[in-house]
Amino acid sequence: DAGVIQSPRHEVTEMGQEVTLRCKPISGHNSLFWYRQTMMRGLELLIYFNNNVPIDDSGMPEDRFSAKMPNASFSTLKIQPSEPRDSAVYFCASRGQGINTEAFFGQGTRLTVV
Amino acid sequence: KNQVEQSPQSLIILEGKNCTLQCNYTVSPFSNLRWYKQDTGRGPVSLTIMTFSENTKSNGRYTATLDADTKQSSLHITASQLSDSASYICVVRDWDSGYALNFGKGTSLLVTP
Repeated sequence: DAGVIQSPRHEVTEMGQEVTLRCKPISGHNSLFWYRQTMMRGLELLIYFNNNVPIDDSGMPEDRFSAKMPNASFSTLKIQPSEPRDSAVYFCASRGQGINTEAFFGQGTRLTVV
Repeated sequence: KNQVEQSPQSLIILEGKNCTLQCNYTVSPFSNLRWYKQDTGRGPVSLTIMTFSENTKSNGRYTATLDADTKQSSLHITASQLSDSASYICVVRDWDSGYALNFGKGTSLLVTP
């Protein structure tokens, strides 16, 4: 398995534009997470899906952020409109069932909003 | 309030030396504690996992310890190598929610020749 695949790896966009980040989890994993990482705050959970259903989106900062998981092999995180303070590295992670299973992270998308 | 605190924030050591990274947490109850290694520009990768009843776990030159009574964990790196330069993140999985991961902000380690 190629692991969790995220695209794009880097994204530079102008303030106000729509940004869509994509994630393909590991096949067979039923949990998917979106995280945001900044120097100041470290890794923060944005949203958690279980069996394609959003379970916890309390970490989504504003209505400008939305996430979908239309099927078990694909998820998107959308920011519309983007702002400079959204600049960060966004990670997608997936995990199989079981209390002690490991969450595997993608390589991340480095987003810069200018 | 962050429930996982790590120290030091950053560390520089000479190649071949040992070092110990600290993690204090308040997450309770918890199901497991992991140490992740994050290389620059990459996602975190799990090094070790310990459940409540485990005191130590080794993975090559990495040894993690856990004291559930004092809510402390440490990661000891033996005979450091240049490739150990990375951020090391302590992660505590919440028992009640079953999925929530509480992340420390990490210790940035630089191993110099």
